[in-house]
Amino acid sequence: GAGVSQTPSNKVTEKGKYVELRCDPISGHTALYWYRQSLGQGPEFLIYFQGTGAADDSGLPNDRFFAVRPEGSVSTLKIQRTERGDSAVYLCASSLSPFVAEAFFGQGTRLTVV
Amino acid sequence: AQKVTQAQTEISVVEKEDVTLDCVYETRDTTYYLFWYKQPPSGELVFLIRRNSFDEQNEISGRYSWNFQKSTSSFNFTITASQVVDSAVYFCAFTTGANSKLTFGKGITLSVRP
Repeated sequence: GAGVSQTPSNKVTEKGKYVELRCDPISGHTALYWYRQSLGQGPEFLIYFQGTGAADDSGLPNDRFFAVRPEGSVSTLKIQRTERGDSAVYLCASSLSPFVAEAFFGQGTRLTVV
Repeated sequence: AQKVTQAQTEISVVEKEDVTLDCVYETRDTTYYLFWYKQPPSGELVFLIRRNSFDEQNEISGRYSWNFQKSTSSFNFTITASQVVDSAVYFCAFTTGANSKLTFGKGITLSVRP
């Protein structure tokens, strides 16, 4: 596709459930990032992939959060035992290289935990 | 640790007015990069500009201009002759460039009234 694609665009889940959020980056972009944006705040870094490996996962808030990128393209952010505090917009971005090429963002997945 | 401060939270102007969005950053690194992103109501973050710490030249792109001053650690953004379509949330962001992990400010909500 022409841009970064994220699915679903909206997800409502019950507290305690497991969710998966998908990101399809721009073709050829080796770097992929996940950010979380709470209402009224700027995006906060979660994890960065270079190729298939997680090069920096320092932003993941706890061990309920996990992300994979098995083939170096599509990435899935997985959240176990969701809590109401996980409600936010989850943004994915990709860039051509990790060295400060501008990152292109998807439209995000709005996760609501009820 | 890096920090980005956008002290203004909401700005409202009438169409055709000029408006400046302020951004102040904190870092001990000598090499770093600064960004501005626009987030329209659709939610997608749109890249506007990237500057590196070695280039203090101001930049103009159409109605947009940026003033980078290392002496005051500021990277301000001016929209000349604002238009209703400029209404959005604007984020200033920072990275040291090691992996393009961005640190965002809290954003400024700009409303341009007709």
